[in-house]
Amino acid sequence: AQTVTQSQPEMSVQEAETVTLSCTYDTSESDYYLFWYKQPPSRQMILVIRQEAYKQQNATENRFSVNFQKAAKSFSLKISDSQLGDAAMYFCAYNTNAGKSTFGDGTTLTVKP
Amino acid sequence: ETGVTQTPRHLVMGMTNKKSLKCEQHLGHNAMYWYKQSAKKPLELMFVYNFKEQTENNSVPSRFSPECPNSSHLFLHLHTLQPEDSALYLCASSQVRTGRRGDEQFFGPGTRLTVL
Repeated sequence: AQTVTQSQPEMSVQEAETVTLSCTYDTSESDYYLFWYKQPPSRQMILVIRQEAYKQQNATENRFSVNFQKAAKSFSLKISDSQLGDAAMYFCAYNTNAGKSTFGDGTTLTVKP
Repeated sequence: ETGVTQTPRHLVMGMTNKKSLKCEQHLGHNAMYWYKQSAKKPLELMFVYNFKEQTENNSVPSRFSPECPNSSHLFLHLHTLQPEDSALYLCASSQVRTGRRGDEQFFGPGTRLTVL
């Protein structure tokens, strides 16, 4: 079974600075997708970024980028130029068959003005 | 309405009450999910439905009873709950396609449940 581990329950960053959230996973599969979701205090969870395991190039979405290390089974999220609106809980997820996602326990990010 | 909607947004019930949570997705997806979110376990999958058929029950107590009458609607019927069942209940949907795993889940805003 796949597992997803987020080792940082809480992180904080100064506004305009850069922060990296860690995620590791365990799988025996070679083809899969990884995701980062954001859950702001209003509670509606949204997708931030996704990465296909077969693509060596790291995914980027504006200020959000990932560092995908397939051999190390590591999938970290980097947020550049942090903004107050980035404060949220962030979940790392792995997609299994039939669309089911395995989620990590989340990292709560605080952005200090 | 767009996306995934959930009603009610807040619910307070006694341990002997019977209530239902409703979820509706307006995205044309074929899979729907119930999650429980609490401080103890940030995101806990409860049930999965694909094409109206339940494909996963993650050892959920029988006091939670899901119902999926069609691909757009999902209910969670609650009866004789315990105070430890107080949590945020999230509904999600996705498009499940054979051989594809790149489709993300779309979440509703959740129902904040308090059991007295």
